[in-house]
Amino acid sequence: DIQMTQSPSSLSASVGDRVTIICRASQGIRSEVGWYQLKPGKAPKRLLYAASILHSGVPSRFSGSASGTEFTLTISSLQPEDFATYYCLQASSFPLTFGGGTKVEIK
Amino acid sequence: EVQVVESGGGLVQPGESLRLSCVVSGIISSGAWMSWVRQAPGKGLDWVATVREDGSIYYVDSVRGRFTISRDNTKKSGFLQMRSLRPEDTAVYHCAVDGVWGQGTLVTVSS
Repeated sequence: DIQMTQSPSSLSASVGDRVTIICRASQGIRSEVGWYQLKPGKAPKRLLYAASILHSGVPSRFSGSASGTEFTLTISSLQPEDFATYYCLQASSFPLTFGGGTKVEIK
Repeated sequence: EVQVVESGGGLVQPGESLRLSCVVSGIISSGAWMSWVRQAPGKGLDWVATVREDGSIYYVDSVRGRFTISRDNTKKSGFLQMRSLRPEDTAVYHCAVDGVWGQGTLVTVSS
């Protein structure tokens, strides 16, 4: 199974900050990575797929990139509605596997 | 706009069965997969099962042989039949189609 190691597990940031979350895959997975945002009591939202393609309706402050087995989610300027938990997902091979999550909290 | 709504969760005893439903509204791509993902209380996300557009089906090892995923021919609804439920299956179960997730339905397995 492919392991997705996500870091950090939590971070504190202020509105306007640039935030970076990283997922490292245990083996090559091309660019078959998605990023998801979870808020309590709400349906999870896909932010990006294929590592860097923005899901419809997602603000452009969210971006993704890939370098080898390292995948990065960047929020260029954190907004109040962005405080949430974020997960990466590899969809390259079954079983699909998620990273452990990153909780973004208000500093 | 695509929307996904799950139903069918509830409280059951260990060993019992439950059938979850997933209804999709809006236009989805012809190659859309349908997946079920769960989140146990206080834990992260865990993939459970997927049925691809070609009908091929995949399960996580912990549910294979106990859970059955299916979707109808119009690809606008699907199901997760869960048998021999265990306390560790307790979670919110989300249906995901074409990148859109539902809010989830809570399954609690407890005596």
